[in-house]
Amino acid sequence: DIQMTQSPSTLSASVGDRVTITCRASHSIRYWLAWYQQKPGKAPKLLIYKASILESGVPSRFSGSGSGTEFTLTISGLQPDDFATYYCQQYNSYYEQTFGQGTKLEIK
Amino acid sequence: QVTLRESGPALVKPTETLTLTCTFSGFSLITSGMCVSWIRQPPGKALEWLALIDWDDDKYYSTSLKTRLTISKDTSRNRVFLTMTNMEPLDTATYFCARMASSGSGSYYPNAFDIWGQGTMVTVSA
Repeated sequence: DIQMTQSPSTLSASVGDRVTITCRASHSIRYWLAWYQQKPGKAPKLLIYKASILESGVPSRFSGSGSGTEFTLTISGLQPDDFATYYCQQYNSYYEQTFGQGTKLEIK
Repeated sequence: QVTLRESGPALVKPTETLTLTCTFSGFSLITSGMCVSWIRQPPGKALEWLALIDWDDDKYYSTSLKTRLTISKDTSRNRVFLTMTNMEPLDTATYFCARMASSGSGSYYPNAFDIWGQGTMVTVSA
């Protein structure tokens, strides 16, 4: 099974900051990685797929990069609406989809 | 507009079988490349993928839960079902269904889950 490890688990930042969240896969997943944003009591929202492609309607301050086993989500110029929990997910195969454990982005 | 909505019992007893329904609109599961998945999230914890069914009726399951899960579909009524046997308190979670529109044409590849339902909370307790 492919394991996904996110870091940090919690991140404190201020409005306007630039933050980066890392996701590492236990095996190469090429670029088959997605990032989601989830707010309390809500379903996850797709932000980025194929490691770096921004989903339609997602603000350009979100960006993704990486391939193989290491990936990053960067938010440039944090807005109040961005404080949420972020998950990475690998979809290298129909047989197995794995989520990271999540990164909670808190207001400093 | 693509929507998905989960439904099912809010409370089940230990050892019972859970059956959930995902009713969707705005796409068809007979369209090549379309898939629907079930994902769950225990309170305060991470997302966990459970199962996926595709346009060709192929079914895929979480390795750790495959002996307890069955996913099926009713394409005429735009519904996907998930049954989970032998429920226990650790299965208490919000259960989501989500759409995957596979990438490619002719040969298809997995994709991210682009549209999610709102989720349905299931509590397992005597």
